[in-house]
Order: sequence, then C-alpha cells, then structure tokens
Amino acid sequence: DTGVSQDPRHKITKRGQNVTFRCDPISEHNRLYWYRQTLGQGPEFLTYFQNEAQLEKSRLLSDRFSAERPKGSFSTLEIQRTEQGDSAMYLCASSPDWPSGNTIYFGEGSWLTVV
Amino acid sequence: KNEVEQSPQNLTAQEGEFITINCSYSVGISALHWLQQHPGGGIVSLFMLSSGKKKHGRLIATINIQEKHSSLHITASHPRDSAVYICAAQTSGSRLTFGEGTQLTVNP
Repeated sequence: DTGVSQDPRHKITKRGQNVTFRCDPISEHNRLYWYRQTLGQGPEFLTYFQNEAQLEKSRLLSDRFSAERPKGSFSTLEIQRTEQGDSAMYLCASSPDWPSGNTIYFGEGSWLTVV
Repeated sequence: KNEVEQSPQNLTAQEGEFITINCSYSVGISALHWLQQHPGGGIVSLFMLSSGKKKHGRLIATINIQEKHSSLHITASHPRDSAVYICAAQTSGSRLTFGEGTQLTVNP
C-alpha cells in the first residue's frame, strides 16, 4: 500500500494522558498536513510541513499539541494532558511539492476518544 | 459566516437522479477541491479545480472564479455514491479550508 498511512487508527485514553499519532506520507511527497475533524464538521487545519520544516500552525494548535517531522518523512502529532475536547479524528495528508493546485492525498485518520 | 459554505447540508435522492451540490467561498484561492468521505473517515480527492470544468465518469465539477462558486454534479446517481461530499478551498501556503460537508444518501 503506497498511500498515506496513520497509526493508531483508534485510541481511547484517559483525560490527562499523553497520546502520539504517527503519519507516514506517500514517499515522494514533500508536503505533510495535519487536520482535525469532529463529528458532523469538516476538517480543520492544524499544521503543515514542507520537508522537515513546520511552516504554518493554526491557532487551534495549543501548547499541548506538538508536531514534528524530523527527517522530512514520517510525522508525529503529540497531544499532552489530553482533555475531553480533544476527542476527534486526526487526519494526515500529503502532497507533492508542486506549484499551487496539486492533489492532496489523505490518510484514513486516527480517532481519539478521551474519557 | 464560514469562509467556505456548502449547500445543501443533507441531500436524499432516488437512484438515477441528477444531483448538484453547491459551494461558495469568500477567500482568495489557488484551487478548489472536491472530496468524498465515507463512514470511517477516509477522504478521497475527487477534483482539484482552478478554472472551468472537469469530468470524471459520472462526476462533473465546475467553478466560477468571478462569482466564487463551485458545483459538484453527479449524473445517474447510485446508492454507492452515498457519502459526505466536502468542498475545500486551497489558499496560499497549501492550507485547505473545508466546508462542513454535504451528506448524500441515494436510495435504491
């Protein structure tokens, strides 16, 4: 499978615990994105990497959230001291480093439930 | 007011009907994406438009840059088309701003 893969697909955690999600983009894609989606809503932008550089962060990304892409390949999204409001699906996407208008490929998402 | 708005929010059709989903946006865009999301979360890119019209099978997407409006049409709809269809505006820096989606149900 050469698509965008995310792990784990589902995570249930207790409030206050830390969780980490991993995204493996399509191998030749330089751009990697994280989005968050709650039930009944469209995804919301969290952050964007160009290779290993984190170029843009949403104000939704509080100081409890951190994302890395250390070698410009896979990325991790960590949520510290989880809160119930963090319950959502966390989507990763990747795209080639083309001029604007390139197709974006999404992973299946990582569902987080904070209890 | 959201930067990307879709209508209708929910749409139920009978198999074979022609379907239109509309998207209006208020931001400057480099491209407009139409996406399909099935239960369980996976999102598939259907179209990426910066002008004019694109067709793929029974799906047609159009965009009017001056009016900041795009439409997704499905001809001869089928129950397997049932999904959430999402319009997303690509702004500078590759960020996507999503609409809230249109839940389409096609009944046999």
